[in-house]
Amino acid sequence: EIVMTQSPATLSVSPGERATLSCRASQSISINLAWYQQKPGQAPRLLIYGASTRATGIPARFSGSGSGTEFTLTISSLQSEDFAVYYCQQYSDWPLTFGGGTKVEIK
Amino acid sequence: EVQLVESGGGLVQPGGSLRLSCAVSEFTVSTNYMNWVRQAPGKGLEWVSMIYPGGNIYYADSVKGRFTISRDISKDTVYLQMNSLRVEDTAVYYCARGLWHDYWGQGTLVTVSS
Repeated sequence: EIVMTQSPATLSVSPGERATLSCRASQSISINLAWYQQKPGQAPRLLIYGASTRATGIPARFSGSGSGTEFTLTISSLQSEDFAVYYCQQYSDWPLTFGGGTKVEIK
Repeated sequence: EVQLVESGGGLVQPGGSLRLSCAVSEFTVSTNYMNWVRQAPGKGLEWVSMIYPGGNIYYADSVKGRFTISRDISKDTVYLQMNSLRVEDTAVYYCARGLWHDYWGQGTLVTVSS
């Protein structure tokens, strides 16, 4: 099983600042990586797939990068609606696996 | 508008069974990868199972041999038959479309408790 490790577990950021979230795979997954955002009481929402392709309707302030085992989600200027939990997921091999999540909270 | 609507959750005793349903609209289950993903209370996401358009099926090790995914193309509905339920299966169960999950349902809560 491919283990996905996200860091940090919690990120405290002020509105308008940049947030950088990391995701590491235990073995190479090429670019078979997605990022999701989840707010309390809601289903997750797809942000990024293919490591760097924004999903439909996702604002340009969200960007993804990386390949192989190291990946990054960057939110260029945090808005109030961006405070949430973010998960990465690999779909390179079975079973599909998620990272443990990074909570982005207001500083 | 693409929609996925789960149903069938509830309270069940350990060792019991439950069948979840996921009815979709504005797309067909026969031509899409369909998944079940769960989230235990206060915890992260865990992928459970996927059925390919061609019918191949995959499971997480934690549910293999106990859960069965299936679909009814005529009803555009995906199912998750859950047998031999354990306390640790307690979670919100989401239905999601795609290899990367671009659409999700609202989830249905399964509680396994005596």
